[in-house]
Amino acid sequence: AQSVTQLGSHVSVSEGALVLLRCNYSSSVPPYLFWYVQYPNQGLQLLLKYTTGATLVKGINGFEAEFKKSETSFHLTKPSAHMSDAAEYFCAVSETGTYKYIFGTGTRLKVLA
Amino acid sequence: GAGVSQSPSNKVTEKGKDVELRCDPISGHTALYWYRQSLGQGLEFLIYFQGNSAPDKSGLPSDRFSAERTGGSVSTLTIQRTQQEDSAVYLCASSVQAWGGSDTQYFGPGTRLTVL
Repeated sequence: AQSVTQLGSHVSVSEGALVLLRCNYSSSVPPYLFWYVQYPNQGLQLLLKYTTGATLVKGINGFEAEFKKSETSFHLTKPSAHMSDAAEYFCAVSETGTYKYIFGTGTRLKVLA
Repeated sequence: GAGVSQSPSNKVTEKGKDVELRCDPISGHTALYWYRQSLGQGLEFLIYFQGNSAPDKSGLPSDRFSAERTGGSVSTLTIQRTQQEDSAVYLCASSVQAWGGSDTQYFGPGTRLTVL
């Protein structure tokens, strides 16, 4: 069965530092990949997604992610963290011909002043 | 345009009572999903609707949980005889269409359910 692993349930970075949130999936077939962000007491908002084509995907708020098939990874990065980036981030996958998202357990990002 | 809305935003109930949670999807979205988010857990899929039909109810935790969708729009998730372990945030999402796998799901703000 498809699964998603987010390494690190909590990540702290200093303001202005690189943000790197890790996501690995298990699938023999390249899936569709998504990153969502959840601010306190809010729903999930799509940051970016990979379906086909260019493996480096740019999203909102300066985030980007790179699909690496050989590593079954879809890590999320941002060159310079901002205080407003503090939130919980979820990686999700789905497969061709299905409707179901499989979510990781989330990574809570803390940005230190 | 309007996003996915859910009501109530918060619901506190006593153990054994029934509750109804409502979801208004984005207009024109044929697919609708319910998820449960418990403290320290990821998002747990509950049920999926395509139009008014629910092809996949496999995520419903027990027969106390049911859901319906009418007019291809509003959906209601009902939990009967609530238990304390039902306490969670219930999230609704909708998408233009479900099949294909690449469609973006748009999420509502959730309903926080607390069972005392």
